[in-house]
Amino acid sequence: EVQLVESGGGLVQPGGSLRLSCAASGFTFSNYWMHWVRQVPGKGLVWVSHTNSDGSSTRYADSVKGRFTISRDNARNTLYLQMNSLRAEDTAVYYCAREHTWGSFDYWGQGILVTVSS
Amino acid sequence: SSELTQDPAVSVALGQTVRITCQGDSLRSHYASWSQQKPGQAPVLVIFGKNNRPSGIPDRFSGSSSGDTASLTITGAQAEDEADYYCNSRDSGDSHHMLFGGGTKLTVL
Repeated sequence: EVQLVESGGGLVQPGGSLRLSCAASGFTFSNYWMHWVRQVPGKGLVWVSHTNSDGSSTRYADSVKGRFTISRDNARNTLYLQMNSLRAEDTAVYYCAREHTWGSFDYWGQGILVTVSS
Repeated sequence: SSELTQDPAVSVALGQTVRITCQGDSLRSHYASWSQQKPGQAPVLVIFGKNNRPSGIPDRFSGSSSGDTASLTITGAQAEDEADYYCNSRDSGDSHHMLFGGGTKLTVL
């Protein structure tokens, strides 16, 4: 059974840092492109970042470029999102998601809440 | 970058057919995918590619596309279909960037 489990969320002050993890199981993690998507409670889904299967290529939404870093450890089957210089507007539930064909997302984690507040 | 536009809310009578649309320039060159999200839950993929359903998704869900508009059709809507529906596609400017529509809240009456 495919599972994606996020961890590392919580409350952080503006300007602070947090690292999210996404533990993958039930599939060959190293074969798949992976993404982070976030959602402000009560609002829509917003794409955050992408990494290819070996981590050599990454992309970011303009709103997080230069502050967030996506990475992966294929030996540990884990995806990461290092978030620095956090702002109140980064407050959201963060999901990791597996990319399927044609740019679709076929599996999602349960989501982890990040709250940026003083 | 491009945007994907969805109607914020749509309603359908139980057992009737409803179409949810998604419009954007990126859809001229990339397929739309559709995900369903119920309150407090992660999204679930319902349609991908030209018109493909993941295993376990009922065949009352179907997808289509024309020009810059993609559509998700639910034929014979059920009470359990009440949810938020999001379209997404690759960005035409950079195919490694992803776009999401703002979401459509479907109410089944």
